[in-house]
Amino acid sequence: DAKTTQPPSMDCAEGRAANLPCNHSTISGNEYVYWYRQIHSQGPQYIIHGLKNNETNEMASLIITEDRKSSTLILPHATLRDTAVYYCIVRVTPNSGGGADGLTFGKGTHLIIQP
Amino acid sequence: KAGVTQTPRYLIKTRGQQVTLSCSPISGHRSVSWYQQTPGQGLQFLFEYFSETQRNKGNFPGRFSGRQFSNSRSEMNVSTLELGDSALYLCASSPRGNTEAFFGQGTRLTVV
Repeated sequence: DAKTTQPPSMDCAEGRAANLPCNHSTISGNEYVYWYRQIHSQGPQYIIHGLKNNETNEMASLIITEDRKSSTLILPHATLRDTAVYYCIVRVTPNSGGGADGLTFGKGTHLIIQP
Repeated sequence: KAGVTQTPRYLIKTRGQQVTLSCSPISGHRSVSWYQQTPGQGLQFLFEYFSETQRNKGNFPGRFSGRQFSNSRSEMNVSTLELGDSALYLCASSPRGNTEAFFGQGTRLTVV
């Protein structure tokens, strides 16, 4: 799986949009971008994933640049409960049919939502 | 739909003992993966099981082993416990493996 680079920490005011960047300049054509988050002392939580088109679900939006070398996770209206470590991961396409490599978690971005 | 269930939530063991942790995946999910999380090393992949077969393994010593049953429930075992095995052990399930994974709350193992 390709490596990712994320800022170690970010602050965001409650109610504002939180924009978390991720650099994955060595991503391969068959690798998806996944985002997970981990709230203190809990298991990681899946947020969203995408290949090259922008994606949106009830939790967040994912914007992937045209060259796919970077992406941004957007939490549109951050709340205090969004304070967590956010992990950006790239991995092979879900339907590759191959063995399931484990998720490679880096250090992530510690997002702190300020009241 | 019930989430991933891990038991027990907390465990204290003595160095040299062995331990077995259990994971019940989401109904219908056939892939179960295990991870170790420590403050120093972060989240690290241990192994993944699909249809009772280990498909992939991380870089851990042979003291760490696992298995999966026909109902997709999985167990992991750590033998000859060392102090450094103290960690949060997380289990994740997914329908096939290379899709989004859903994690349990983890088992906090303390080795004394």
